[in-house]
Amino acid sequence: TQLLEQSPQFLSIQEGENLTVYCNSSSVFSSLQWYRQEPGEGPVLLVTVVTGGEVKKLKRLTFQFGDARKDSSLHITAAQPGDTGLYLCAGDPGNQFYFGTGTSLTVIP
Amino acid sequence: DAGITQSPRHKVTETGTPVTLRCHQTENHRYMYWYRQDPGHGLRLIHYSYGVKDTDKGEVSDGYSVSRSKTEDFLLTLESATSSQTSVYFCATIGSGTQYFGPGTRLLVL
Repeated sequence: TQLLEQSPQFLSIQEGENLTVYCNSSSVFSSLQWYRQEPGEGPVLLVTVVTGGEVKKLKRLTFQFGDARKDSSLHITAAQPGDTGLYLCAGDPGNQFYFGTGTSLTVIP
Repeated sequence: DAGITQSPRHKVTETGTPVTLRCHQTENHRYMYWYRQDPGHGLRLIHYSYGVKDTDKGEVSDGYSVSRSKTEDFLLTLESATSSQTSVYFCATIGSGTQYFGPGTRLLVL
Protein backbone atom coordinates (compact mmCIF):
# COMPACT_ATOMS: atom_id res chain seq x y z
CA THR A 1 0.00 0.00 0.00
CA GLN A 2 1.41 3.35 -1.09
CA LEU A 3 0.70 6.07 1.43
CA LEU A 4 1.54 8.86 -0.99
CA GLU A 5 0.53 8.86 -4.64
CA GLN A 6 2.31 11.11 -7.09
CA SER A 7 1.09 12.11 -10.51
CA PRO A 8 2.03 12.11 -13.22
CA GLN A 9 4.61 9.32 -13.02
CA PHE A 10 6.44 10.56 -16.12
CA LEU A 11 6.48 14.00 -17.70
CA SER A 12 8.32 15.18 -20.79
CA ILE A 13 7.99 18.84 -21.75
CA GLN A 14 9.68 21.49 -23.86
CA GLU A 15 11.91 24.13 -22.33
CA GLY A 16 9.87 27.17 -21.28
CA GLU A 17 6.66 25.29 -20.51
CA ASN A 18 4.99 25.21 -17.11
CA LEU A 19 4.12 22.06 -15.20
CA THR A 20 2.53 20.85 -11.99
CA VAL A 21 3.26 17.67 -10.05
CA TYR A 22 0.81 16.37 -7.47
CA CYS A 23 1.28 14.43 -4.26
CA ASN A 24 -1.90 13.01 -2.72
CA SER A 25 -2.81 10.95 0.31
CA SER A 26 -5.74 10.05 2.52
CA SER A 27 -3.52 10.55 5.57
CA VAL A 28 -2.75 13.74 7.44
CA PHE A 29 0.89 14.76 7.69
CA SER A 30 2.61 16.96 10.24
CA SER A 31 4.99 18.01 7.49
CA LEU A 32 5.64 17.28 3.85
CA GLN A 33 8.87 17.53 1.92
CA TRP A 34 9.85 17.70 -1.74
CA TYR A 35 13.12 16.28 -3.04
CA ARG A 36 14.88 16.15 -6.39
CA GLN A 37 17.05 13.21 -7.29
CA GLU A 38 19.49 12.96 -10.18
CA PRO A 39 20.68 9.63 -11.65
CA GLY A 40 23.22 7.86 -9.47
CA GLU A 41 22.76 10.22 -6.54
CA GLY A 42 20.68 10.46 -3.40
CA PRO A 43 17.65 12.74 -3.13
CA VAL A 44 18.26 16.37 -2.19
CA LEU A 45 15.75 18.29 -0.12
CA LEU A 46 14.07 21.21 -1.91
CA VAL A 47 11.53 22.37 0.65
CA THR A 48 9.58 21.47 3.78
CA VAL A 49 6.00 22.63 4.33
CA VAL A 50 4.34 22.31 7.71
CA THR A 51 1.24 24.50 7.78
CA GLY A 52 -2.02 23.73 5.96
CA GLY A 53 -2.42 26.11 3.02
CA GLU A 54 1.24 27.10 3.12
CA VAL A 55 2.86 28.26 -0.11
CA LYS A 56 6.63 28.40 -0.54
CA LYS A 57 8.58 29.65 -3.52
CA LEU A 58 12.07 28.66 -4.54
CA LYS A 59 12.97 30.68 -7.64
CA ARG A 60 10.77 29.18 -10.40
CA LEU A 61 9.40 26.43 -8.14
CA THR A 62 6.22 26.94 -6.12
CA PHE A 63 5.20 24.45 -3.46
CA GLN A 64 1.78 24.29 -1.86
CA PHE A 65 0.55 22.26 1.11
CA GLY A 66 -3.17 21.45 1.11
CA ASP A 67 -5.41 23.02 3.71
CA ALA A 68 -6.09 19.62 5.27
CA ARG A 69 -2.38 18.69 5.17
CA LYS A 70 -3.10 15.59 3.08
CA ASP A 71 -1.75 16.71 -0.27
CA SER A 72 0.75 18.97 -1.93
CA SER A 73 1.72 20.29 -5.33
CA LEU A 74 4.89 21.45 -7.02
CA HIS A 75 4.58 23.95 -9.84
CA ILE A 76 7.53 24.81 -12.08
CA THR A 77 7.36 27.93 -14.22
CA ALA A 78 9.30 28.17 -17.47
CA ALA A 79 11.02 24.80 -17.07
CA GLN A 80 14.68 24.51 -18.00
CA PRO A 81 16.78 21.45 -18.92
CA GLY A 82 18.46 21.74 -15.51
CA ASP A 83 15.11 20.91 -13.90
CA THR A 84 15.31 17.40 -15.30
CA GLY A 85 15.25 14.77 -12.58
CA LEU A 86 13.11 12.63 -10.31
CA TYR A 87 10.88 14.62 -7.97
CA LEU A 88 9.81 12.92 -4.77
CA CYS A 89 7.39 13.99 -2.09
CA ALA A 90 7.69 12.64 1.44
CA GLY A 91 5.22 12.96 4.28
CA ASP A 92 5.75 12.63 8.00
CA PRO A 93 2.61 11.43 9.81
CA GLY A 94 4.49 11.78 13.08
CA ASN A 95 7.03 9.00 13.34
CA GLN A 96 8.84 8.45 10.04
CA PHE A 97 8.89 9.65 6.45
CA TYR A 98 6.88 7.94 3.74
CA PHE A 99 7.88 8.67 0.16
CA GLY A 100 5.77 8.93 -2.95
CA THR A 101 6.58 6.89 -6.05
CA GLY A 102 8.14 9.89 -7.75
CA THR A 103 7.66 11.92 -10.91
CA SER A 104 10.35 11.63 -13.56
CA LEU A 105 10.64 14.98 -15.36
CA THR A 106 12.48 15.49 -18.63
CA VAL A 107 12.83 19.01 -20.01
CA ILE A 108 13.76 19.02 -23.66
CA PRO A 109 15.90 21.96 -24.90
CA ASP B 1 25.82 17.69 2.18
CA ALA B 2 26.06 16.01 5.59
CA GLY B 3 29.24 14.10 4.96
CA ILE B 4 27.52 10.77 4.39
CA THR B 5 29.44 7.99 2.74
CA GLN B 6 28.24 4.53 1.89
CA SER B 7 30.27 1.41 1.21
CA PRO B 8 30.42 -0.47 -0.96
CA ARG B 9 28.91 1.61 -3.77
CA HIS B 10 28.23 -1.46 -5.88
CA LYS B 11 27.98 -5.12 -4.95
CA VAL B 12 27.05 -8.33 -6.70
CA THR B 13 26.35 -11.32 -4.52
CA GLU B 14 24.68 -14.70 -4.66
CA THR B 15 21.42 -15.80 -3.09
CA GLY B 16 21.88 -17.06 0.44
CA THR B 17 25.06 -15.14 1.26
CA PRO B 18 25.22 -12.53 4.03
CA VAL B 19 25.78 -8.93 3.03
CA THR B 20 26.62 -5.89 5.14
CA LEU B 21 26.29 -2.33 3.93
CA ARG B 22 27.94 0.50 5.81
CA CYS B 23 26.85 4.09 6.29
CA HIS B 24 29.24 6.61 7.80
CA GLN B 25 28.41 10.21 8.74
CA THR B 26 30.62 13.00 10.00
CA GLU B 27 27.98 15.44 11.31
CA ASN B 28 27.19 13.72 14.63
CA HIS B 29 23.50 13.48 13.69
CA ARG B 30 21.43 11.45 16.10
CA TYR B 31 18.94 9.96 13.64
CA MET B 32 20.04 7.65 10.85
CA TYR B 33 17.93 5.75 8.31
CA TRP B 34 18.22 2.95 5.78
CA TYR B 35 15.93 3.05 2.71
CA ARG B 36 15.64 0.95 -0.40
CA GLN B 37 14.57 2.42 -3.73
CA ASP B 38 12.80 0.33 -6.34
CA PRO B 39 10.97 1.32 -9.53
CA GLY B 40 7.29 1.93 -8.86
CA HIS B 41 7.77 2.02 -5.10
CA GLY B 42 9.82 5.10 -4.46
CA LEU B 43 11.90 5.05 -1.28
CA ARG B 44 10.82 2.71 1.50
CA LEU B 45 12.17 2.77 5.04
CA ILE B 46 13.89 -0.42 6.21
CA HIS B 47 15.17 0.47 9.67
CA TYR B 48 16.14 3.60 11.53
CA SER B 49 18.18 4.55 14.56
CA TYR B 50 17.59 7.30 17.09
CA GLY B 51 20.86 6.83 18.95
CA VAL B 52 23.68 4.42 19.66
CA LYS B 53 22.20 0.94 20.10
CA ASP B 54 18.68 2.37 19.65
CA THR B 55 17.01 1.11 16.49
CA ASP B 56 13.51 0.43 15.23
CA LYS B 57 11.81 -1.20 12.27
CA GLY B 58 10.51 0.60 9.24
CA GLU B 59 8.00 -0.28 6.58
CA VAL B 60 9.98 -3.12 4.94
CA SER B 61 12.22 -4.57 7.65
CA ASP B 62 11.77 -8.31 7.00
CA GLY B 63 15.07 -9.96 6.04
CA TYR B 64 17.16 -7.05 7.30
CA SER B 65 18.92 -6.24 10.56
CA VAL B 66 20.84 -3.15 11.66
CA SER B 67 23.39 -2.16 14.23
CA ARG B 68 24.68 1.13 15.53
CA SER B 69 27.62 0.85 17.91
CA LYS B 70 28.92 4.37 17.24
CA THR B 71 27.12 7.60 16.41
CA GLU B 72 28.84 7.86 13.05
CA ASP B 73 28.22 4.33 11.75
CA PHE B 74 24.99 2.54 10.86
CA LEU B 75 25.24 -0.96 9.42
CA LEU B 76 22.58 -2.77 7.40
CA THR B 77 22.85 -6.56 7.20
CA LEU B 78 21.07 -8.94 4.90
CA GLU B 79 21.47 -12.20 6.79
CA SER B 80 20.76 -14.38 3.74
CA ALA B 81 20.35 -12.34 0.59
CA THR B 82 17.45 -13.05 -1.77
CA SER B 83 16.82 -11.84 -5.31
CA SER B 84 13.96 -9.65 -4.02
CA GLN B 85 16.58 -7.64 -2.12
CA THR B 86 18.17 -6.48 -5.35
CA SER B 87 17.79 -2.74 -5.04
CA VAL B 88 19.49 0.58 -4.48
CA TYR B 89 20.04 1.25 -0.79
CA PHE B 90 20.26 4.74 0.63
CA CYS B 91 21.39 5.87 4.03
CA ALA B 92 20.12 9.15 5.44
CA THR B 93 20.52 11.32 8.50
CA ILE B 94 18.51 14.21 9.87
CA GLY B 95 20.04 17.46 10.96
CA SER B 96 18.11 20.66 11.80
CA GLY B 97 14.98 19.19 10.23
CA THR B 98 16.66 18.38 6.94
CA GLN B 99 17.06 14.81 5.77
CA TYR B 100 20.40 14.24 4.03
CA PHE B 101 21.02 11.23 1.83
CA GLY B 102 24.15 9.32 0.98
CA PRO B 103 25.11 8.43 -2.60
CA GLY B 104 23.54 4.96 -2.45
CA THR B 105 24.68 1.35 -2.78
CA ARG B 106 23.57 -0.62 -5.80
CA LEU B 107 23.11 -4.28 -4.78
CA LEU B 108 22.48 -7.12 -7.20
CA VAL B 109 21.57 -10.53 -5.79
CA LEU B 110 21.93 -13.32 -8.33
